[in-house]
Amino acid sequence: AQSVTQLDSHVSVSEGTPVLLRCNYSSSYSPSLFWYVQHPNKGLQLLLKYTSAATLVKGINGFEAEFKKSETSFHLTKPSAHMSDAAEYFCVVTEGTSYGKLTFGQGTILTVHP
Amino acid sequence: AAGVIQSPRHLIKEKRETATLKCYPIPRHDTVYWYQQGPGQDPQFLISFYEKMQSDKGSIPDRFSAQQFSDYHSELNMSSLELGDSALYFCASLDRGDETQYFGPGTRLLVL
Repeated sequence: AQSVTQLDSHVSVSEGTPVLLRCNYSSSYSPSLFWYVQHPNKGLQLLLKYTSAATLVKGINGFEAEFKKSETSFHLTKPSAHMSDAAEYFCVVTEGTSYGKLTFGQGTILTVHP
Repeated sequence: AAGVIQSPRHLIKEKRETATLKCYPIPRHDTVYWYQQGPGQDPQFLISFYEKMQSDKGSIPDRFSAQQFSDYHSELNMSSLELGDSALYFCASLDRGDETQYFGPGTRLLVL
């Protein structure tokens, strides 16, 4: 069975400072991992994904994540936060290929202060 | 680029009524997934279809049923609605080329 744990329910940063959203996963097979973002009252938008290619994955809007198998982690980072990054972020896993159901983490709400 | 379309975007129903949610996948996507996101919750997988056949089933109540049609659109039928069914219902379609599920904007269902 697959599962995801997002270690922080809320993260607050100042504009222009780095962002770190932490995610640990559990999977019986080689996982595919994703980060999705949800702005208030909006749908889910894919930020980036890992599907067994390069372990450092670059996504949209300057975000990136590193797959670390030894630590079962897939943390999301951004060097410099922007006000528009304020949203809820979900770490997501699916086992094997990404054709199966997605299992979501509990979400991390990112607040960006001016 | 075309996206996943869901209708209606908002729906208000009374308890014990029925509701039908529709999902139109991105053209040429043959696999559709339904997820339910309760207030303050993470999305939970309900059911999926591939080539009009149910491919996986999650925590979908027996009061709910779904199907995929020949044009690959899908409908989620919900009967005997309960207050706890109030949620945001997402549909996603799968791009087999880049192995990614793309989500629609969701249908917000409120049961009074």
